[in-house]
Amino acid sequence: AQSVAQPEDQVNVAEGNPLTVKCTYSVSGNPYLFWYVQYPNRGLQFLLKYITGDNLVKGSYGFEAEFNKSQTSFHLKKPSALVSDSALYFCAVREDNYGQNFVFGPGTRLSVLP
Amino acid sequence: NAGVTQTPKFRILKIGQSMTLQCTQDMNHNYMYWYRQDPGMGLKLIYYSVGAGITDKGEVPNGYNVSRSTTEDFPLRLELAAPSQTSVYFCASRRGAGTDTQYFGPGTRLTVL
Repeated sequence: AQSVAQPEDQVNVAEGNPLTVKCTYSVSGNPYLFWYVQYPNRGLQFLLKYITGDNLVKGSYGFEAEFNKSQTSFHLKKPSALVSDSALYFCAVREDNYGQNFVFGPGTRLSVLP
Repeated sequence: NAGVTQTPKFRILKIGQSMTLQCTQDMNHNYMYWYRQDPGMGLKLIYYSVGAGITDKGEVPNGYNVSRSTTEDFPLRLELAAPSQTSVYFCASRRGAGTDTQYFGPGTRLTVL
């Protein structure tokens, strides 16, 4: 069965500092990995995805994520955090190219302090 | 292009009442999904559809029903509302098989008292 873990409920970082939001996954086949962001009272917005190829994936708003197969991780990163990055971040996995179920992690709340 | 729209935004129901949450997408996407989001939890899949006339259960389908008579619309029906159905409901769509991402609606916040 597929599963996603986000080990931190909350991440606090000072504006201008680098940020990392962690995600680990478990699948039996090839993983397709996604990051979404949710601002208050809004739906989820797509940030980036890993399907195949380069392990470093670049996405929207300066975010990037690194796929590490041996550690089954897909951590979200940004070199310099902005206050406006404060939001709820979800990692999601889909097991193969034809699976319908996206499994979401519980979310990590990122607070960027001015 | 409005994307995925959901109505209503908010609703309060009494136990035992019924209601339909509406979801419409104007992107001609084949796949549509209903999720619920409980506090501190990730999204749980309720039902999904891979095209008009085709629906299937997700992880938490009990207490809900869906239909997909058109490509655009994917309503979610609650027949006998229970307090356990208090949640935020999100509809999503994606174009089709492959590596397409999901596009989410703004959500419906439902409270059952």
